[in-house]
Amino acid sequence: DQQVKQNSPSLSVQEGRISILNCDYTNSMFDYFLWYKKYPAEGPTFLISISSIKDKNEDGRFTVFLNKSAKHLSLHIVPSQPGDSAVYFCAASGGSGNTGKLIFGQGTTLQVKP
Amino acid sequence: NAGVMQNPRHLVRRRGQEARLRCSPMKGHSHVYWYRQLPEEGLKFMVYLQKENIIDESGMPKERFSAEFPKEGPSILRIQQVVRGDSAAYFCASSPRTATEAFFGQGTRLTVV
Repeated sequence: DQQVKQNSPSLSVQEGRISILNCDYTNSMFDYFLWYKKYPAEGPTFLISISSIKDKNEDGRFTVFLNKSAKHLSLHIVPSQPGDSAVYFCAASGGSGNTGKLIFGQGTTLQVKP
Repeated sequence: NAGVMQNPRHLVRRRGQEARLRCSPMKGHSHVYWYRQLPEEGLKFMVYLQKENIIDESGMPKERFSAEFPKEGPSILRIQQVVRGDSAAYFCASSPRTATEAFFGQGTRLTVV
């Protein structure tokens, strides 16, 4: 019962180019979506979020797009930097009696080559 | 995420022993969540607590696992009679209220030998 899916286990891009990470979800009750970045042996770090009432949220080099009809969201990083190399998790929350618990995807490992 | 403190960072237990994982949330945060990450998998929700109350434990295994968040002191995740399959990274997150971004600690890596 994988409600949040990141179908690409890995992505490799050149420094300076755009990185696009994708995420699909199945539960139409989700109304809040987040992206986290994780380095090995560290906890996830919050990057950016979006509410279901919006279709785009931007913060510096990071932009999250939400397509509710397709149940799809994506994270764009531009320009990509070597320090962005990490595992990226999308997460979702929502539904009746929302307790704020997050449902995570499996993660996508991003490698940015100098 | 430096504000959420977890200890120990690494914990080794023999099969059958008890493991206690501690989490101090960020200052001002009264909501604590525990997640587990098994090797090569994403994070899985375990339990959500507020001070002195378990709000949602739908992700907790039915046996051997328990959690508490007392009025004073850190939140504790307790695993009794550990087995090899309990080996994982356990992350605690805190937030000031529900349905907002949660901030994670650095995790406790439990190894059962």
